[in-house]
Amino acid sequence: GESVGLHLPTLSVQEGDNSIINCAYSNSASDYFIWYKQESGKGPQFIIDIRSNMDKRQGQRVTVLLNKTVKHLSLQIAATQPGDSAVYFCAETNDYKLSFGAGTTVTVRA
Amino acid sequence: NAGVTQTPKFQVLKTGQSMTLQCAQDMNHNSMYWYRQDPGMGLRLIYYSASEGTTDKGEVPNGYNVSRLNKREFSLRLESAAPSQTSVYFCASRMGQGANGELFFGEGSRLTVL
Repeated sequence: GESVGLHLPTLSVQEGDNSIINCAYSNSASDYFIWYKQESGKGPQFIIDIRSNMDKRQGQRVTVLLNKTVKHLSLQIAATQPGDSAVYFCAETNDYKLSFGAGTTVTVRA
Repeated sequence: NAGVTQTPKFQVLKTGQSMTLQCAQDMNHNSMYWYRQDPGMGLRLIYYSASEGTTDKGEVPNGYNVSRLNKREFSLRLESAAPSQTSVYFCASRMGQGANGELFFGEGSRLTVL
């Protein structure tokens, strides 16, 4: 069936290092993807999005890479900071709705 | 600018009781959504409304009903609460009616059904 998933449920990163969060999707017809960040006790916040006609998009300290051949999405965070500690979700469009993966919990070590 | 506002933030119910979660957005968005979030399962879509006057089922609609009262407000009702409906509920909105574009989320409503 169709699903969106993240490769690892947790990721521990040293402050200042780069983080890479991975996500696999199964719906080859998906044409839009979003990364969200959710801090404890809060609602998800938009980080960055990418359309299927692109393979890379950059924002402030973040880069999203899309590999449609293997249906893989990744989020790279440069110079990870303590404020980046959160749960990160990828989401794909599916029949006019966003479907979310289970999330990766990122912990930043001082 | 408040964005997406949900009430109540916390609620405890007994099995069989009913309640309505309220959601309002002040961004003049067309589409509104209700998600539930359970540990280890991400966010699952319950119902959505692509525009005022329309509602559609999502992945997990059983046990819920919704009302798009007007362009601003989208409520979620539990007619007879069950322990399986213990969850954190998020309302979200988006400007467009289609599939793309950023979803803006509320802060969540934590519901416990005993």
